[in-house]
Formats: sequence, C-alpha cells, structure tokens
Amino acid sequence: GQQVMQIPQYQHVQEGEDFTTYCNSSTTLSNIQWYKQRPGGHPVFLIQLVKSGEVKKQKRLTFQFGEAKKNSSLHITATQTTDVGTYFCAGRYAQKSTSYGKLTFGQGTILTVHP
Amino acid sequence: DGGITQSPKYLFRKEGQNVTLSCEQNLNHDAMYWYRQDPGQGLRLIYYSQIVNDFQKGDIAEGYSVSREKKESFPLTVTSAQKNPTAFYLCASMLGQAFRASTEAFFGQGTRLTVV
Repeated sequence: GQQVMQIPQYQHVQEGEDFTTYCNSSTTLSNIQWYKQRPGGHPVFLIQLVKSGEVKKQKRLTFQFGEAKKNSSLHITATQTTDVGTYFCAGRYAQKSTSYGKLTFGQGTILTVHP
Repeated sequence: DGGITQSPKYLFRKEGQNVTLSCEQNLNHDAMYWYRQDPGQGLRLIYYSQIVNDFQKGDIAEGYSVSREKKESFPLTVTSAQKNPTAFYLCASMLGQAFRASTEAFFGQGTRLTVV
C-alpha cells in the first residue's frame, strides 16, 4: 500500500537554530496533516494542508504542501526548548486510491533542542 | 468534557493471554483508528473504522481484532497470535468519513501494554 516517508529520523539542534522535516509520498495525497507528540504524550494536531502549493504559518512554524501534492515540509525558525518532541506528517489518499480512508503517518522526526 | 478515552494507561499480561484495550469517544466522530507505536518506528495503523459495524485492516492487522458495534466505542483485542505485543497503543477518532473533507484526528492518552 501507499506509504509516507519522513526524514530525518532524528535531529539535534542548538536552541536558536532552524529545523526542517520532510515528508514524501509516492502517490498523490488528498491532503496532509502535521502532528506533534511531546515526550511521554500523545500526538496533537498542528495543521492540515489541502491545496497544491499551499503554505501556512503558525508563529515560528511554516508548513508547505508540494505542487504535485506528494510532498510536504515543516520548518521551525529559531527553535526553542519547548519545541522538543516528535513531529509527524499524516497523509490522506484520494478516493480512487487503494488506501482511501486511511490516515497514514510518516515515521516521525524526533527533535532535540539543546539550550 | 468531550474527548477520547483509553483505558487502562498501563497494562501487564502474561504471554499467551488475549487482552482487550478500551477506546471510547464522546465527540460523535464517525471514524476511529488504532495505531501501534514502537520506539523509533512512528505510528503504524492496525485497524480503522469509518462507520458503525464496519472496519478495515490497516498495515499490521495480524494478531489483532476489533469491533465497532457502537459509534462511540472501538475496542482492540490483542490476541495470543500477535508475536510481539509489547508496545504503546494509540486510539484516534476523526469527524469526517473518507468521502467528506477530512478533519483532524484526536488521540487518546494511549495504553502501554507489556507482555511478560
């Protein structure tokens, strides 16, 4: 079935540095969502992207959806210690896809921020 | 308060025993999902249900079973056929069915199952 690949698996940064995680699907996505999981917690929804080429911002976080709706990225500017956690993308596939109805998560990127 | 509740938070079982994990939501959501999370492996889909009395296998359904007799409940049974059941299990629900505009998934707090 369809898979969503996410890189890198781990990212260690110094506080104040930028951070980016990338997701890629081999087939077109209907939409993509991003979640954050704090250590010991559960995933919490951040945002959903639906349109081709869409860019959304939440304070220091910038989310992009590729023109072909097959890839997406999350960029954090000037990381803070509160940004630590695992960031997941999750893709929904179009109606004609064999994976229709599923919410397929990437492997996640574990972000560590050193003060 | 509206939300999605998983119980128990921690569960210990002996090898060879079946165990059922509870997931209840009062959000009136149509779709419900079960994921398994292992260290460094992200979230893997076990089963999902988009409507009452219907459910679909996910990517790692072997050794698991589910039921969806009520809209608010989606229990997961880990059977003795599951070769490596020790993991963190997350239940999620979502308002939209597949043919509607999707919305965000709400997750429960998770159940950490340890089989000894």
